[in-house]
Amino acid sequence: QQQVKQSPQSLIVQKGGISIINCAYENTAFDYFPWYQQFPGKGPALLIAIRPDVSEKKEGRFTISFNKSAKQFSLHIMDSQPGDSATYFCAALDRGSTLGRLYFGRGTQLTVWP
Amino acid sequence: DGGITQSPKYLFRKEGQNVTLSCEQNLNHDAMYWYRQDPGQGLRLIYYSQIVNDFQKGDIAEGYSVSREKKESFPLTVTSAQKNPTAFYLCASSWGTVNTEAFFGQGTRLTVV
Repeated sequence: QQQVKQSPQSLIVQKGGISIINCAYENTAFDYFPWYQQFPGKGPALLIAIRPDVSEKKEGRFTISFNKSAKQFSLHIMDSQPGDSATYFCAALDRGSTLGRLYFGRGTQLTVWP
Repeated sequence: DGGITQSPKYLFRKEGQNVTLSCEQNLNHDAMYWYRQDPGQGLRLIYYSQIVNDFQKGDIAEGYSVSREKKESFPLTVTSAQKNPTAFYLCASSWGTVNTEAFFGQGTRLTVV
């Protein structure tokens, strides 16, 4: 069973546009929600992360919006650039669990046209 | 420089053979993980280890084995029992639940020929 559901699977955006990727979860014990960015042939790298005590976190052009009651969170990429073309994964973690494992969404392949 | 090193970058295996993928980290992280990545499937957890000499099965452990004899090393063996081993394999490490960021290696692409 997929613990974190991510959509869309692929996304095409024009340069300068806004890219939006959505994720949803069911386990209310999750208390850490990171986003990872992966370029072809490379390993994923942490992009930005949020804890559920805040509703929004912004770092440069990247913003996470978090809706605790709806159990949803999303990544917004403002002024999207061709260099943002990559696969994006959302994830969730229960920091209180002794297992300490991240649950990943299936990924969104973003293409930004110049 | 601190980081995670996976080797080799590309690996070819004949059907029926076992093959071992290397993962070494010098970040002094306690936890290490192996993921398998297939198109459209995201990152699926194979095995993970929170401390030396201990490891747990992930979601798709069948046909794989691991060891954790040293803190820095977490090799993955893909056995002949794995029916569809062609994939991109990623190793990661983290402090565990204390610090939540996971660092990934550059991956090993395994192809069965």
